[in-house]
Amino acid sequence: QVQLVESGGGVVQPGGSLRLSCAASGFTFSSYGMHWVRQAPGKGLEWVAFIRSDGSSEYYVDSVKGRFTISRDNSKNTLYLQMNSLRTDDTAVYYCAKLVGVPATTDFDCWGQGTLVTVSS
Amino acid sequence: QSALTQPASVSGSPRQSITISCTGTSSDVGGYNYVSWYQQHPGKAPKLVIYEVTKWPSGVSNRFSGSKSGNTASLTISGLQAEDEADYYCCSYAGRTKWVFGGGTKLTVL
Repeated sequence: QVQLVESGGGVVQPGGSLRLSCAASGFTFSSYGMHWVRQAPGKGLEWVAFIRSDGSSEYYVDSVKGRFTISRDNSKNTLYLQMNSLRTDDTAVYYCAKLVGVPATTDFDCWGQGTLVTVSS
Repeated sequence: QSALTQPASVSGSPRQSITISCTGTSSDVGGYNYVSWYQQHPGKAPKLVIYEVTKWPSGVSNRFSGSKSGNTASLTISGLQAEDEADYYCCSYAGRTKWVFGGGTKLTVL
């Protein structure tokens, strides 16, 4: 079945770095653009980044631009998020997601279970 | 890239209907028919319940319906059931390959 499994979360000090991974299975990963979405504790969802299916272009929310890098390895069916210069307000559960397309050719939409990143001294 | 505006909470009794609003700008909600709605139960990942303003994903009850007028989208849940109690988030395409979510609405079924 369709599955996204994140890993790599943990506790890191302010200014530190962390790399999240997301392993995809059950669908043709290389055919779809992929997203990272985060949710701070007790707060709402925030779109973080998107990468096109072939990895040719990346897009970011302003608050992470220049600090975070989204990438993918289609040969390994894996999505990544490299997070540098982490701040306390980056603390959140990070979800890997295949959001419904724009425009939507199907209703395919899938999220991982999330991985918690805590930035604290 | 400001979050879309949703009411913090709504409530309703079983079998009643409720509507959750999602207000943005002409650069996001008003500019595109690419508004989705997600349901999130505590500790779970979000689940798509409406996409492209009015469309149902397969497997989602038709008790959920969506609409849009100007810069405001709405999600209506009819025939409320206990299992509908959850947080609901709108999400809109915001142009230039960016997306924006709403702040979320907690639905309580009384």
